[in-house]
Amino acid sequence: NAGVTQTPKFRVLKTGQSMTLLCAQDMNHEYMYWYRQDPGMGLRLIHYSVGEGTTAKGEVPDGYNVSRLKKQNFLLGLESAAPSQTSVYFCASSYTIRVHEQFFGPGTRLTVL
Amino acid sequence: ELKVEQNPLFLSMQEGKNYTIYCNYSTTSDRLYWYRQDPGKSLESLFVLLSNGAVKQEGRLMASLDTKARLSTLHITAAVHDLSATYFCAVDMQGGSEKLVFGKGTKLTVNP
Repeated sequence: NAGVTQTPKFRVLKTGQSMTLLCAQDMNHEYMYWYRQDPGMGLRLIHYSVGEGTTAKGEVPDGYNVSRLKKQNFLLGLESAAPSQTSVYFCASSYTIRVHEQFFGPGTRLTVL
Repeated sequence: ELKVEQNPLFLSMQEGKNYTIYCNYSTTSDRLYWYRQDPGKSLESLFVLLSNGAVKQEGRLMASLDTKARLSTLHITAAVHDLSATYFCAVDMQGGSEKLVFGKGTKLTVNP
C-alpha cells in the first residue's frame, strides 16, 4: 500500500496563476482533509470531505476550492494564487467514524512569488 | 470552539534526562492523538488515546489522557538524540465531528 500520496512535491507559482494539488489514498478511507502548515501556526484545516461527492469548509477556506469526485482522490485548487498562500500543504485521510486517527501524505511545498 | 494548547512550545534537553510535554484542551473530549514530525517531513501517528485514563507506551515515550482535567501528557524517559522532532497533539471534537483540532506543536531538541 502506498498510503497517502500527494502530487506535486514542490511547486513555484507566480501571483495570479492557478494550480491543482492532488491527493490520493489507497486505504479505502471515507474522510479526507487538506491542511496548510506555516511556521508558528501549527496545522490549519482548509477543507475536508466525509465521502465521495461531499466537501466542507475548514478553518481557512478562502482562496481554495476542493473536489472529491472519487473516493480515493481529493483535489485542492488555487484559482488565483497569492503570496499569502506560500505554505506546506498536507493531505490526510481517516477511516472510522469513532476514531479519527489521520494518516498524512508527504506534503507539497508551494511558493507563490 | 475547541482550543488545544501545548506547552512548552520549545524544549531543549540533554540526553538521558526525563521530561513531559503537556496538552490541554478546552471542551469535553475523550479522544486524543499524538503525532511526530521530523524536519521537512510529514506527520506520523504515535498514539491514539480513546478513554479517560488511557495510557500508551512506545519505547521511551509514554502518553496518557485525563479527560476530567482535559489534559494529555507525553512523557519522555532517558531522552536520546533520535527523539528530536516536533510533537503535536490533536483532539477530536465530541459529538460526531469529523475534524481534529491540533495544538501548535512542541519542538524538542535533544542534545548530546
